[in-house]
Amino acid sequence: AQSVTQPDIHITVSEGASLELRCNYSYGATPYLFWYVQSPGQGLQLLLKYFSGDTLVQGIKGFEAEFKRSQSSFNLRKPSVHWSDAAEYFCAVGANAGKSTFGDGTTLTVKP
Amino acid sequence: GAGVSQTPSNKVTEKGKYVELRCDPISGHTALYWYRQSLGQGPEFLIYFQGTGAADDSGLPNDRFFAVRPEGSVSTLKIQRTERGDSAVYLCASSSSGSLHEQFFGPGTRLTVL
Repeated sequence: AQSVTQPDIHITVSEGASLELRCNYSYGATPYLFWYVQSPGQGLQLLLKYFSGDTLVQGIKGFEAEFKRSQSSFNLRKPSVHWSDAAEYFCAVGANAGKSTFGDGTTLTVKP
Repeated sequence: GAGVSQTPSNKVTEKGKYVELRCDPISGHTALYWYRQSLGQGPEFLIYFQGTGAADDSGLPNDRFFAVRPEGSVSTLKIQRTERGDSAVYLCASSSSGSLHEQFFGPGTRLTVL
């Protein structure tokens, strides 16, 4: 069975500082991996995805993530955080036919 | 429409009542998914439709939950004899047949069972 672990429930960073959100997954084959962002009262928005190929993927809003098969990780990074990045972030792994399994999320707070 | 829409946005009901939640996917998307998101948790898969048929309903928690998609577009999630534990945000997503994994999510329906 597939699973996703996001070890950090809550992270606080200062505006302008760098950010890394951790994600570890469990899946028997090459996974489809995703990061979503969810702002209060909003639906999930896809930030980026990994299917195959280059293990460093670029997404929207200046985010990137790196797939590391040896560590079963897909960590999300951003070099300089903006106040508008405060939200909840979800990592997900996709299996056959599009069904996705999500982690429990990391809440990001940005200090001015 | 431009995106996935869900109605109602909020639903308050009493324990034991029946509720229906509606999802209108992006036009042309053949795949439709329902997820449930409880407070402090990530979305949990319920059911997946490909066209009119349920391709995977392994996430439905029990037989009080049922979903239909009779014409391959709009879907309705039906919950019978609601319980307080059913309170959650119910999310719908859709994707195209050429990119099943790229799911576009609606804003959700917040269900509160009193």
